[in-house]
Amino acid sequence: GAVVSQHPSWVICKSGTSVKIECRSLDFQATTMFWYRQFPKQSLMLMATSNEGSKATYEQGVEKDKFLINHASLTLSTLTVTSAHPEDSSFYICSVKAGGRGDTQYFGPGTRLTVL
Amino acid sequence: GESVGLHLPTLSVQEGDNSIINCAYSNSASDYFIWYKQESGKGPQFIIDIRSNMDKRQGQRVTVLLNKTVKHLSLQIAATQPGDSAVYFCAEGSLNNLFFGTGTRLTVIP
Repeated sequence: GAVVSQHPSWVICKSGTSVKIECRSLDFQATTMFWYRQFPKQSLMLMATSNEGSKATYEQGVEKDKFLINHASLTLSTLTVTSAHPEDSSFYICSVKAGGRGDTQYFGPGTRLTVL
Repeated sequence: GESVGLHLPTLSVQEGDNSIINCAYSNSASDYFIWYKQESGKGPQFIIDIRSNMDKRQGQRVTVLLNKTVKHLSLQIAATQPGDSAVYFCAEGSLNNLFFGTGTRLTVIP
């Protein structure tokens, strides 16, 4: 399958700070990337769909001004959690749609965000 | 999102036995279905997928069955191994819009 990385893997920050999470497609060019959030013992919830060179499409209930997404290249998408609060603590996972590899979604390892 | 649920939240099987994990979905318009495995603290790992024009697909030790009539999806794991212990998620929808079920925890007993 496709190789997807995320950085950092774990971040702890104070309330009010902003945190940037990177998602990289290492072995192919991904025109579409997805950002999910997963709370403990719960399923994945899609936050937004990120297309290279255009604005991200956010799911209902997800604040676009709080969760800034930038898909500046075919191999990199970033999610910035602005003014993070404890309720934003979660596991953030990106995925890429690999059109040339069976056309499915492959997930990154996830980033655990803990806001104190 | 759409409603995707699992019949069993936990499943324990003996090593070497076959495992069957079930999933019900509600959106009859879904044309793509996928199973993921997630180990603790890690991202989901692709297992197998199936499109709505098929009712069965086989991989290495895994088989996915799709019954569109009753909107049911299942994952069969042959000769279950300790390394198969994880949470398994089904997801349905389209390639650009996946809705995940709540997950089933599979525990393999050595």
